[in-house]
This record gives sequence, C-alpha cells and structure tokens, in this order.
Amino acid sequence: NAGVTQTPKFQVLKTGQSMTLQCAQDMNHNSMYWYRQDPGMGLRLIYYSASEGTTDKGEVPNGYNVSRLNKREFSLRLESAAPSQTSVYFCASSERTRGEAFFGQGTRLTVV
Amino acid sequence: KQEVTQIPAALSVPEGENLVLNCSFTDSAIYNLQWFRQDPGKGLTSLLLIQSSQREQTSGRLNASLDKSSGRSTLYIAASQPGDSATYLCAVRHGDYKLSFGAGTTVTVRA
Repeated sequence: NAGVTQTPKFQVLKTGQSMTLQCAQDMNHNSMYWYRQDPGMGLRLIYYSASEGTTDKGEVPNGYNVSRLNKREFSLRLESAAPSQTSVYFCASSERTRGEAFFGQGTRLTVV
Repeated sequence: KQEVTQIPAALSVPEGENLVLNCSFTDSAIYNLQWFRQDPGKGLTSLLLIQSSQREQTSGRLNASLDKSSGRSTLYIAASQPGDSATYLCAVRHGDYKLSFGAGTTVTVRA
C-alpha cells in the first residue's frame, strides 16, 4: 500500500547544481502537486497538474520546472539550485471525484 | 487569491481537555476542505475531508464542521491525549484542483 512515494528523502546540493525530485503515486489519481514547506511560511504550491498532460504554476514557481511523465509520475526539477531553495518538498496527489489529497513523506533539500 | 488562516498558531492544553482548532478562508467557492496532521519531520496525514455540500464529518474523537458561507471550519478533538501533539493543517480545494493551505496550529497536550 505505497500511496505517494518521493525520492530521494534527503539531498545536499551545491549552489548551481541541478537535480530532479521524483514522485510517483499508485492510486490512479488524476491530480498531482508539488509543495515546499518552510518554517513560518506553511505549505506553498510550486506547480500542480490537474490531469495527465497539463501543468500549471502555483504560488512560487520561479526556479523550478515540472514534468508530468504519465498518470503516475510527476517530477520537479531544479535547474540551478540556490540557497533560497533549501526546504522540505512534498508531493501530493488527489482523485477527481471525492478530491481527497494524499502526501508523500517529503524530500529534505539543503543547498549550500 | 484564496487566503487560508489558522488561529491560534500554537496551543498547549492539559491531557483530557477538548481541543478546538479554527480555519478560515476568504473565497467560499471551494470544492472541499481537508484537515491534516503533521508530526515533526514527517509528511501530512489526512484526518477528515468535508465536501462543500456537507456541514460536518466525524471520525472517532475528531469532528470537523464547515460553514462555507462564512468561510470557516472548526476541528474538534475530544478528550485530548499526549499522542495528539502535532501540527494540524487545513487545506481548501478549488474547482481548478488547486489546494491552498493554512500555516497550521501546533498543539501540545501536557500529560
């Protein structure tokens, strides 16, 4: 009963390096999301995908790109990491009808 | 733009007391509202989901109400226990599938 799986769980990057955060869900959900969580700021939406083949910007999309690879997978890419992108990143998915959202366990990213 | 506010930001109660957590939102055109629990260093666990047409949902010691017209939801936790200590987050979903979160209420239940 995996639900939403994120990889990696922890990552340290140097400024300017790139990386991709992976997310996969096995619940056949249509919608997927990427959030970042910072102390005192709550959860802020980076990008979301309402359905396979579509992606939309959230509140804080600058410095990020996403790919909805198929219905199961939604990846988040940092092209040139900056210290301001140090955060905990969460992926989530929800199904269309009832709309309940489920979250992964998070990726703790540090950019030095 | 939807603004979701949770008051208070932190709450400390003795064991056995009932907890009342508040969530307010500015745009009443929501699809549903969901309450989550987050333990330190962990992901979010769904507690209750209320559809926009519903007034409340219950699960065990938890009860959540929704007043869409006034933009408010309240989460009640009866007979609190130390294991209820966590951060509680509310989120509203819009018709465009966006989820907007409040900053959370951090609860400490003292034994």
